[in-house]
Amino acid sequence: DSGVTQTPKHLITATGQRVTLRCSPRSGDLSVYWYQQSLDQGLQFLIQYYNGEERAKGNILERFSAQQFPDLHSELNLSSLELGDSALYFCASSPRVTGALDTQYFGPGTRLTVL
Amino acid sequence: AQRVTQPEKLLSVFKGAPVELKCNYSYSGSPELFWYVQYSRQRLQLLLRHISRESIKGFTADLNKGETSFHLKKPFAQEEDSAMYYCALVFILTGGGNKLTFGTGTQLKVEL
Repeated sequence: DSGVTQTPKHLITATGQRVTLRCSPRSGDLSVYWYQQSLDQGLQFLIQYYNGEERAKGNILERFSAQQFPDLHSELNLSSLELGDSALYFCASSPRVTGALDTQYFGPGTRLTVL
Repeated sequence: AQRVTQPEKLLSVFKGAPVELKCNYSYSGSPELFWYVQYSRQRLQLLLRHISRESIKGFTADLNKGETSFHLKKPFAQEEDSAMYYCALVFILTGGGNKLTFGTGTQLKVEL
């Protein structure tokens, strides 16, 4: 167990809807990362937050947004959902912002199915 | 742009046989590379990083800058090594953030 938790475990929703995925980092970790894993795209970095501030952005769609709260948990908001958004969404955490050599500790993921 | 390539989607070996999971990268700077592993129904976890030059669970990986490779090796495969293996490259972004760029992964299956 990495200490990173994600809720919910599974989420099934319809096209056009909006969902929120939640992540709690390991105790003491200030950086949170979001990744999307799909069959066609593999594991793709979406966004990084450090101590409440956005610090790095990857292949994140404009329909997606994220935030990190003062207690350091993070939420990923996905709106106007499309079938292609069906994927496994991982959250990871690490102690520092530019700790390139820091291990990223991954959560178990949230499986999103858009029908 | 940074890129990580894992050419094999599936690698099947017999128990006790040597294992080599291939990883090639494309990066203009000095690469920092990792191998992550995902066992069945478990979360992704770090296996090893090149900077540590360590051996974890019998696995090693050597960075070859000339061939831009970071292949993962183990001399004798064990049944418990069956898992999905991802090679990843860390990239420092403007503003101080960083991200991992993952390869598409190789499923290792160790057969008896």
